[in-house]
Amino acid sequence: DAGVIQSPRHEVTEMGQEVTLRCKPISGHDYLFWYRQTMMRGLELLIYFNNNVPIDDSGMPEDRFSAKMPNASFSTLKIQPSEPRDSAVYFCASSLLWAGGGEQYFGPGTRLTVT
Amino acid sequence: QKEVEQDPGPLSVPEGAIVSLNCTYSNSAFQYFMWYRQYSRKGPELLMYTYSSGNKEDGRFTAQVDKSSKYISLFIRDSQPSDSATYLCAMSSNAGGTSYGKLTFGQGTILTVHP
Repeated sequence: DAGVIQSPRHEVTEMGQEVTLRCKPISGHDYLFWYRQTMMRGLELLIYFNNNVPIDDSGMPEDRFSAKMPNASFSTLKIQPSEPRDSAVYFCASSLLWAGGGEQYFGPGTRLTVT
Repeated sequence: QKEVEQDPGPLSVPEGAIVSLNCTYSNSAFQYFMWYRQYSRKGPELLMYTYSSGNKEDGRFTAQVDKSSKYISLFIRDSQPSDSATYLCAMSSNAGGTSYGKLTFGQGTILTVHP
């Protein structure tokens, strides 16, 4: 298996532009997580899905952030409009749930820079 | 106060040293405890997993959980330069609702093992 796939790996954009990050989870996994990682705040959970349904989006910082999972093999995280404080590494992770949480498999991340 | 506290370091040790990494937590519902290792510019990978209190050993790595003190540790024996990475503790519970399937991460400790 290729693991969790994220694209793009790097994104540099100007403030005010729309940014779309993409994720393909491991086939057969029924949970998908979006995280943001910065030096100041560490790894923060933004939103997660179970069987394509959003379960908890309480970590989404503002209405500028939205996430979708139209099918079991694809998810997007969109920021519109982007701001410099959104600069971070965004990770997607997937898991096959067992009681207690299950191992989460992380993608390589998308490094976002907003100027 | 964060649910999970972890000293971000950085921690620098000579090759061969014993390394001790620690996390404290406040949520008594946590039952599953994990350590993830993250190399520079990569996604985190599961290193150790422990259920409830006790010790678990895997090669040079030992994970300890003390639920009465809400304290977990990771020990690395005979540390190697290849162990240089960020180590993140993570925890989850069997609670239902939006907590199910969710991991709460510590800030991460940056470890450097120098030859």
